[in-house]
Amino acid sequence: NAGVMQNPRHLVRRRGQEARLRCSPMKGHSHVYWYRQLPEEGLKFMVYLQKENIIDESGMPKERFSAEFPKEGPSILRIQQVVRGDSAAYFCASSPDALTEQFFGPGTRLTVL
Amino acid sequence: EDKVVQSPLSLVVHEGDTVTLNCSYEVTNFRSLLWYKQEKKAPTFLFMLTSSGIEKKSGRLSSILDKKELFSILNITATQTGDSAVYLCAVNVHNAGNMLTFGGGTRLMVKP
Repeated sequence: NAGVMQNPRHLVRRRGQEARLRCSPMKGHSHVYWYRQLPEEGLKFMVYLQKENIIDESGMPKERFSAEFPKEGPSILRIQQVVRGDSAAYFCASSPDALTEQFFGPGTRLTVL
Repeated sequence: EDKVVQSPLSLVVHEGDTVTLNCSYEVTNFRSLLWYKQEKKAPTFLFMLTSSGIEKKSGRLSSILDKKELFSILNITATQTGDSAVYLCAVNVHNAGNMLTFGGGTRLMVKP
Protein backbone atom coordinates (compact mmCIF):
# COMPACT_ATOMS: atom_id res chain seq x y z
CA ASN A 1 0.00 0.00 0.00
CA ALA A 2 1.77 3.11 -1.22
CA GLY A 3 1.89 6.04 1.11
CA VAL A 4 0.87 9.60 0.41
CA MET A 5 2.55 10.75 -2.79
CA GLN A 6 3.47 14.28 -3.68
CA ASN A 7 5.01 15.74 -6.78
CA PRO A 8 7.14 17.39 -7.67
CA ARG A 9 9.50 16.93 -4.73
CA HIS A 10 11.32 20.14 -5.60
CA LEU A 11 9.95 23.08 -7.55
CA VAL A 12 11.73 26.27 -8.52
CA ARG A 13 9.75 29.24 -9.74
CA ARG A 14 10.54 32.84 -10.52
CA ARG A 15 8.53 35.61 -8.90
CA GLY A 16 5.19 36.06 -10.64
CA GLN A 17 4.95 32.50 -11.99
CA GLU A 18 2.41 29.89 -10.93
CA ALA A 19 3.18 26.85 -8.79
CA ARG A 20 1.05 23.70 -8.91
CA LEU A 21 1.62 21.08 -6.24
CA ARG A 22 0.03 17.64 -6.46
CA CYS A 23 -0.95 15.17 -3.78
CA SER A 24 -2.28 11.63 -4.15
CA PRO A 25 -3.67 10.34 -0.84
CA MET A 26 -3.17 6.85 0.46
CA LYS A 27 -5.48 4.25 -1.01
CA GLY A 28 -8.83 4.33 0.74
CA HIS A 29 -8.30 7.84 2.13
CA SER A 30 -10.80 10.48 1.08
CA HIS A 31 -9.66 13.28 3.43
CA VAL A 32 -6.74 15.46 2.36
CA TYR A 33 -4.95 18.21 4.25
CA TRP A 34 -2.30 20.71 3.17
CA TYR A 35 0.27 22.16 5.58
CA ARG A 36 3.08 24.63 5.04
CA GLN A 37 6.41 24.64 6.84
CA LEU A 38 8.35 27.86 6.52
CA PRO A 39 12.12 27.74 7.15
CA GLU A 40 12.83 27.23 10.85
CA GLU A 41 9.11 27.22 11.69
CA GLY A 42 6.55 24.60 12.60
CA LEU A 43 3.93 23.06 10.36
CA LYS A 44 0.90 25.29 9.79
CA PHE A 45 -2.47 24.07 8.58
CA MET A 46 -3.70 25.52 5.29
CA VAL A 47 -6.74 23.63 4.00
CA TYR A 48 -8.78 20.47 4.51
CA LEU A 49 -10.62 18.84 1.61
CA GLN A 50 -12.77 15.85 0.89
CA LYS A 51 -13.60 14.72 -2.60
CA GLU A 52 -14.91 17.75 -4.52
CA ASN A 53 -15.42 19.76 -1.30
CA ILE A 54 -13.36 22.25 0.66
CA ILE A 55 -14.21 21.63 4.31
CA ASP A 56 -11.94 24.14 6.04
CA GLU A 57 -9.68 26.69 4.37
CA SER A 58 -9.15 28.86 7.42
CA GLY A 59 -5.35 28.57 7.19
CA MET A 60 -5.03 29.49 3.55
CA PRO A 61 -4.07 33.04 2.47
CA LYS A 62 -7.06 34.76 0.94
CA GLU A 63 -5.26 35.76 -2.24
CA ARG A 64 -3.22 33.79 -4.79
CA PHE A 65 -3.76 30.41 -3.08
CA SER A 66 -6.38 27.84 -4.05
CA ALA A 67 -6.90 24.13 -3.54
CA GLU A 68 -9.04 21.45 -5.08
CA PHE A 69 -9.62 17.73 -4.73
CA PRO A 70 -11.55 16.60 -7.82
CA LYS A 71 -13.59 13.45 -8.11
CA GLU A 72 -10.84 11.90 -10.18
CA GLY A 73 -7.14 12.58 -9.77
CA PRO A 74 -4.90 14.13 -7.17
CA SER A 75 -5.48 17.11 -4.94
CA ILE A 76 -3.89 20.28 -6.29
CA LEU A 77 -2.57 23.25 -4.35
CA ARG A 78 -2.13 26.21 -6.69
CA ILE A 79 -0.18 29.33 -5.89
CA GLN A 80 -0.51 32.13 -8.42
CA GLN A 81 1.99 34.96 -8.87
CA VAL A 82 4.45 33.47 -6.41
CA VAL A 83 6.56 35.71 -4.19
CA ARG A 84 9.77 34.94 -2.31
CA GLY A 85 7.81 34.55 0.94
CA ASP A 86 6.03 31.52 -0.55
CA SER A 87 9.30 29.57 -0.42
CA ALA A 88 8.60 26.71 1.98
CA ALA A 89 7.98 23.00 2.25
CA TYR A 90 4.37 22.11 1.47
CA PHE A 91 3.17 18.87 3.00
CA CYS A 92 0.06 16.94 2.16
CA ALA A 93 -1.54 14.48 4.58
CA SER A 94 -4.45 12.09 4.25
CA SER A 95 -6.75 10.08 6.48
CA PRO A 96 -9.63 7.67 5.91
CA ASP A 97 -11.97 9.78 8.05
CA ALA A 98 -12.03 12.78 10.34
CA LEU A 99 -11.23 10.87 13.52
CA THR A 100 -8.06 8.96 12.71
CA GLU A 101 -4.44 9.91 12.37
CA GLN A 102 -3.17 11.80 9.36
CA PHE A 103 -0.36 10.33 7.29
CA PHE A 104 2.02 12.72 5.61
CA GLY A 105 3.62 12.75 2.20
CA PRO A 106 7.28 13.60 1.57
CA GLY A 107 6.51 17.23 0.81
CA THR A 108 7.23 19.62 -2.05
CA ARG A 109 10.01 22.12 -1.48
CA LEU A 110 9.13 25.30 -3.32
CA THR A 111 11.87 27.82 -3.97
CA VAL A 112 10.94 31.19 -5.42
CA LEU A 113 13.83 33.04 -7.05
CA GLU B 1 -6.36 30.76 19.80
CA ASP B 2 -5.24 27.14 20.13
CA LYS B 3 -1.65 26.76 21.28
CA VAL B 4 0.78 23.84 21.47
CA VAL B 5 4.17 24.30 23.14
CA GLN B 6 6.99 21.79 23.11
CA SER B 7 10.06 21.66 25.30
CA PRO B 8 12.95 21.54 25.21
CA LEU B 9 13.58 23.19 21.83
CA SER B 10 16.61 20.98 21.32
CA LEU B 11 18.42 18.22 23.12
CA VAL B 12 21.77 16.50 22.68
CA VAL B 13 22.31 13.11 24.32
CA HIS B 14 24.56 10.09 23.91
CA GLU B 15 23.54 6.67 22.71
CA GLY B 16 21.93 4.66 25.47
CA ASP B 17 20.50 7.66 27.29
CA THR B 18 16.79 8.03 28.05
CA VAL B 19 15.02 11.20 26.98
CA THR B 20 11.67 12.77 27.83
CA LEU B 21 10.07 15.25 25.48
CA ASN B 22 7.26 17.50 26.65
CA CYS B 23 4.17 18.89 24.99
CA SER B 24 1.65 21.20 26.64
CA TYR B 25 -1.46 22.57 25.01
CA GLU B 26 -4.22 25.10 25.42
CA VAL B 27 -7.11 24.33 23.11
CA THR B 28 -10.88 24.34 23.14
CA ASN B 29 -12.72 21.11 22.43
CA PHE B 30 -9.74 18.76 22.60
CA ARG B 31 -10.13 15.59 20.57
CA SER B 32 -6.69 13.95 20.40
CA LEU B 33 -2.96 14.55 20.63
CA LEU B 34 -0.53 13.10 18.12
CA TRP B 35 3.24 12.63 18.05
CA TYR B 36 5.25 12.58 14.82
CA LYS B 37 8.93 12.07 14.04
CA GLN B 38 10.35 14.25 11.28
CA GLU B 39 13.70 13.52 9.73
CA LYS B 40 14.55 15.32 6.51
CA LYS B 41 11.27 14.55 4.87
CA ALA B 42 7.73 13.53 5.80
CA PRO B 43 6.57 13.56 9.43
CA THR B 44 6.14 9.92 10.40
CA PHE B 45 3.23 9.06 12.68
CA LEU B 46 4.16 7.68 16.10
CA PHE B 47 1.18 7.82 18.47
CA MET B 48 -2.33 9.17 18.83
CA LEU B 49 -3.60 9.71 22.37
CA THR B 50 -7.18 10.41 23.33
CA SER B 51 -7.53 9.20 26.92
CA SER B 52 -5.68 10.28 30.05
CA GLY B 53 -3.35 7.93 31.83
CA ILE B 54 -3.16 5.20 29.21
CA GLU B 55 0.39 4.66 28.03
CA LYS B 56 0.98 3.87 24.39
CA LYS B 57 4.13 1.94 23.63
CA SER B 58 6.05 1.00 20.51
CA GLY B 59 9.45 -0.56 21.05
CA ARG B 60 11.65 1.91 22.87
CA LEU B 61 9.14 4.74 22.49
CA SER B 62 6.22 5.40 24.79
CA SER B 63 3.81 8.26 25.38
CA ILE B 64 1.15 9.27 27.84
CA LEU B 65 -1.46 12.01 28.04
CA ASP B 66 -2.70 14.01 31.02
CA LYS B 67 -5.93 15.77 30.06
CA LYS B 68 -6.30 17.39 33.45
CA GLU B 69 -2.91 19.11 33.35
CA LEU B 70 -3.04 19.48 29.54
CA PHE B 71 0.24 17.87 28.58
CA SER B 72 1.81 14.81 27.10
CA ILE B 73 5.27 13.29 27.26
CA LEU B 74 7.17 11.17 24.78
CA ASN B 75 9.83 8.89 26.25
CA ILE B 76 12.63 7.27 24.31
CA THR B 77 14.75 4.72 26.16
CA ALA B 78 18.17 3.38 25.12
CA THR B 79 18.47 6.06 22.43
CA GLN B 80 20.23 5.29 19.15
CA THR B 81 21.71 7.62 16.53
CA GLY B 82 18.75 6.77 14.31
CA ASP B 83 16.48 8.49 16.81
CA SER B 84 17.99 11.83 15.82
CA ALA B 85 15.14 13.87 14.38
CA VAL B 86 12.64 16.61 15.13
CA TYR B 87 9.75 15.31 17.23
CA LEU B 88 6.46 17.07 16.61
CA CYS B 89 3.43 17.21 18.85
CA ALA B 90 0.05 18.15 17.37
CA VAL B 91 -3.45 18.56 18.74
CA ASN B 92 -6.71 17.88 16.96
CA VAL B 93 -9.89 19.59 18.11
CA HIS B 94 -13.59 19.05 17.57
CA ASN B 95 -14.67 21.54 14.94
CA ALA B 96 -15.91 21.65 11.39
CA GLY B 97 -12.47 20.92 10.10
CA ASN B 98 -9.99 18.31 11.15
CA MET B 99 -6.83 20.36 11.26
CA LEU B 100 -3.83 19.63 13.41
CA THR B 101 -2.23 22.43 15.39
CA PHE B 102 1.47 21.71 15.70
CA GLY B 103 4.02 22.70 18.29
CA GLY B 104 7.39 24.01 17.22
CA GLY B 105 9.07 20.64 17.69
CA THR B 106 11.96 19.32 19.73
CA ARG B 107 15.18 18.69 17.83
CA LEU B 108 16.90 15.61 19.25
CA MET B 109 20.47 14.74 18.41
CA VAL B 110 21.86 11.40 19.61
CA LYS B 111 25.64 11.19 19.53
CA PRO B 112 27.50 7.87 19.25
